[in-house]
Amino acid sequence: AQTVTQSQPEMSVQEAETVTLSCTYDTSESDYYLFWYKQPPSRQMILVIRQEAYKQQNATENRFSVNFQKAAKSFSLKISDSQLGDAAMYFCAYERGGSEKLVFGKGTKLTVNP
Amino acid sequence: DTEVTQTPKHLVMGMTNKKSLKCEQHMGHRAMYWYKQKAKKPPELMFVYSYEKLSINESVPSRFSPECPNSSLLNLHLHALQPEDSALYLCASSSMTSGRVGELFFGEGSRLTVL
Repeated sequence: AQTVTQSQPEMSVQEAETVTLSCTYDTSESDYYLFWYKQPPSRQMILVIRQEAYKQQNATENRFSVNFQKAAKSFSLKISDSQLGDAAMYFCAYERGGSEKLVFGKGTKLTVNP
Repeated sequence: DTEVTQTPKHLVMGMTNKKSLKCEQHMGHRAMYWYKQKAKKPPELMFVYSYEKLSINESVPSRFSPECPNSSLLNLHLHALQPEDSALYLCASSSMTSGRVGELFFGEGSRLTVL
């Protein structure tokens, strides 16, 4: 079974600084996708960034980027120029191609200090 | 602004009640999902509907009954629930196109309390 591990239950960062959230996963599949989802307090969960396993290039979305290390099965999220609105629970997630099932990690609560 | 609308936002019910949670999306998505989320935990998949047919049931107890009347609507019928069923119930949808696998759009959730 596929598993997703987020080893940092909580992280904090100063506004305008950079923070990296860690995620590792375990799979024997070759066709899969990785995601970071953000869930702000009392607001809906939104997709931050996605990565196809077959792509070597790391995905980037504005201030958000990933470091995808396929051999190490590592998928970390870097948030640059952190903003107060980045404070949220961040979930790393995995989906085997065609499965329609997201497997979530336990989440990392990010606090942004002014 | 959320494009997946869930009602009600809050629901309190007794163990003998029958109630329903509703979810609606108008993005033309062909897959819809129900997730259950306990406090400080990740969402847990309950059901998936693809093209209005139930494609995944994660061994959810029969006191939860999903229904997909059409491609835009998803209901979750609740009957004889237990206090441990209290949670945030999230609805989500996805387009299922190959370039957007796993890109789910979530509603704000229905917070259910079972007394």
